[in-house]
Amino acid sequence: QSALTQPPSASGSPGQSVTISCTGTSSDVGGYNYVSWFQQHPGKAPKLMISEVSKRPSGVPDRFSGSKSGNTASLTVSGLQAEDEADYYCSSYAGRNSYVFGTGTKVTVL
Amino acid sequence: EVQLVESGGGLVQPGGSLRLSCAASGFTFSNFWMTWVRQAPGKGLEWVANIKQDGSDKYYVDSVRGRFTISRDNAKNSLYLQMNSLTAEDTAVYYCATHRGASWTYWGQGTLVTVSS
Repeated sequence: QSALTQPPSASGSPGQSVTISCTGTSSDVGGYNYVSWFQQHPGKAPKLMISEVSKRPSGVPDRFSGSKSGNTASLTVSGLQAEDEADYYCSSYAGRNSYVFGTGTKVTVL
Repeated sequence: EVQLVESGGGLVQPGGSLRLSCAASGFTFSNFWMTWVRQAPGKGLEWVANIKQDGSDKYYVDSVRGRFTISRDNAKNSLYLQMNSLTAEDTAVYYCATHRGASWTYWGQGTLVTVSS
């Protein structure tokens, strides 16, 4: 089970948009609509931001959106705010009751 | 309010054992699959193990299968992770989380396990 590939970093100015990619294979991201995204601030537990590719849990701002095309999923944060500065991780069901996370992306708000 | 509180972490020597606990409150524990996820210092997240609501099904990442055992006590609203034959590669913060729809909604604050001589 290899980790999903994410860019190490991404950045944008307040109000701008940033998109993070999450690339896997047909055995994980491409094979199931079970991609999730998590936000993690330093020293804190991860927080679920998107589940099942594009579903936003209650309380998550609609500035956060998810999508998938083939073996690559994406998280877009629109209207960047200072509090969006954090690490972001994707995850995917990988078959046979196993799960895999992405390598993580550090988002910086300039 | 949903709360998950992990405990049991600490310093252990290579080859040693440790048992982590996760106390759940604020929701019907017995209705949820539960998961352990870990994060090595400065590294990314890694799914470790899942357990079904009644404990009948358990699944593990390859790197811990045969060494770690996930279990639960629904009467005590508690989740456990028995870790044996620990190595330095097991050093991490261990989180428990509720599992639904191939994702994890609620997370504890984590407990640090350090494997070192």
